[in-house]
Amino acid sequence: GAVVSQHPSWVICKSGTSVKIECRSLDFQATTMFWYRQFPKQSLMLMATSNEGSKATYEQGVEKDKFLINHASLTLSTLTVTSAHPEDSSFYICSAPRSNTGELFFGEGSRLTVL
Amino acid sequence: DQQVKQNSPSLSVQEGRISILNCDYTNSMFDYFLWYKKYPAEGPTFLISISSIKDKNEDGRFTVFLNKSAKHLSLHIVPSQPGDSAVYFCAAPDSGTYKYIFGTGTRLKVLA
Repeated sequence: GAVVSQHPSWVICKSGTSVKIECRSLDFQATTMFWYRQFPKQSLMLMATSNEGSKATYEQGVEKDKFLINHASLTLSTLTVTSAHPEDSSFYICSAPRSNTGELFFGEGSRLTVL
Repeated sequence: DQQVKQNSPSLSVQEGRISILNCDYTNSMFDYFLWYKKYPAEGPTFLISISSIKDKNEDGRFTVFLNKSAKHLSLHIVPSQPGDSAVYFCAAPDSGTYKYIFGTGTRLKVLA
C-alpha cells in the first residue's frame, strides 16, 4: 500500500484562486519532504525541500511567494499555489525519505489545471 | 551540483528480451542511487536502489549495476514484459542528502 499519500489527485480552479495540495507520510515520520513538478514529457523538477519546524528551501527559479510550503507536522507537508495562473497547470508530486532504507517514497501526484 | 543524464529518451524491446536502461551522473557521493518507474498521470513508483558501496543489486527481474569509476548506472530488466512499458527515471543524490536529482527519463516500450 501507499506510504506517502497526496490529496487531491485532481484539481481544477479558476485563474487567480489559490490551491492547496497535501502530502502525508502514512507509516513513518518525515522531517523532510520534497515537492516536484513535472511538465508533459519532461523530468521531475525539484521545486523545494519542506522542513518540519523550519522554512522550506526553494530551488533556484522557484518563487517562494507563489508556492507556499508548510511542514506542519512530522507527517504532513502542504503546497499552496497562490493566485494560480494557467501556466501553473502541471503535475505536482511530493516525496518523503525513509531514512533506514535509503528509499524515497512518492505520493500519487496531483494534477492541477488552472482555467 | 549533481547532474543526471539519461541519454536515450526511448527504447523498444521485444517481450522476453533484455531491456537495458542507462544513466550517467557527475558527482560521486557515498549514498544510494535510485530507479523509479512511472506511468502517465501517476506518481513515480520506487523500483530498485543501489548503495554506492556496491556494484550490483538484484531484485527479481530487475538488476542495477553501478560503475563508480565511469559514474554510470544501468538497469537491466530480464525478461522484459509488456507491463514493464513505462518511463524509467534514475536519480542520484545531491550533496549527500535525500535531495535527489532525476534524469530526464527513458520511455520503455515492450512489444508483445
